[in-house]
Amino acid sequence: GQNIDQPTEMTATEGAIVQINCTYQTSGFNGLFWYQQHAGEAPTFLSYNVLDGLEEKGRFSSFLSRSKGYSYLLLKELQMKDSASYLCAVRGHGSSNTGKLIFGQGTTLQVKP
Amino acid sequence: DTGVSQDPRHKITKRGQNVTFRCDPISEHNRLYWYRQTLGQGPEFLTYFQNEAQLEKSRLLSDRFSAERPKGSFSTLEIQRTEQGDSAMYLCASSLSTAGDTQYFGPGTRLTVL
Repeated sequence: GQNIDQPTEMTATEGAIVQINCTYQTSGFNGLFWYQQHAGEAPTFLSYNVLDGLEEKGRFSSFLSRSKGYSYLLLKELQMKDSASYLCAVRGHGSSNTGKLIFGQGTTLQVKP
Repeated sequence: DTGVSQDPRHKITKRGQNVTFRCDPISEHNRLYWYRQTLGQGPEFLTYFQNEAQLEKSRLLSDRFSAERPKGSFSTLEIQRTEQGDSAMYLCASSLSTAGDTQYFGPGTRLTVL
């Protein structure tokens, strides 16, 4: 089966650092994606990992361990505008190699002053 | 704007009516996906096109749902005989298979079935 787990909600303070974890069990693996989604809006691409290790992009970093089925998204110097839902998604291998994404339920992050 | 666009943004319909949504992908993208998202959940895959060919359909997609991408550019998703359980956000995404295949999402169509 396919299962992607991430915490439902997190709260952090403006200026702080927060780590959002994601664990996955999927029938195949061809990359892990993080998206940001503000309420009522479309998901926006943040990061992509296909090899083990850390990918850094400004205030956002994402880590992957394929052997552990684990990823995290690290947000530094939190700003109020970072309050959003963060979606972890795995791209699997299918017989047709569709590239479809399997999403977790999302983590709602609230940044407080 | 060269991103993914969807029309309409909102649709309210009565149970039993048919609705059709349109998605215009990023112009050079050859892959197009439809997802459905309900409140508090992540998007769920519905169907996938590579150019004009529909290559995969989720088991979530009942016989009432049909999708087309006639010329490998825009796509339509039709729901016949809508039910209240069809109320959701319908998201379209596109990607370029030769360039990392990252999916970029449109703003979505929010469907409310009364």
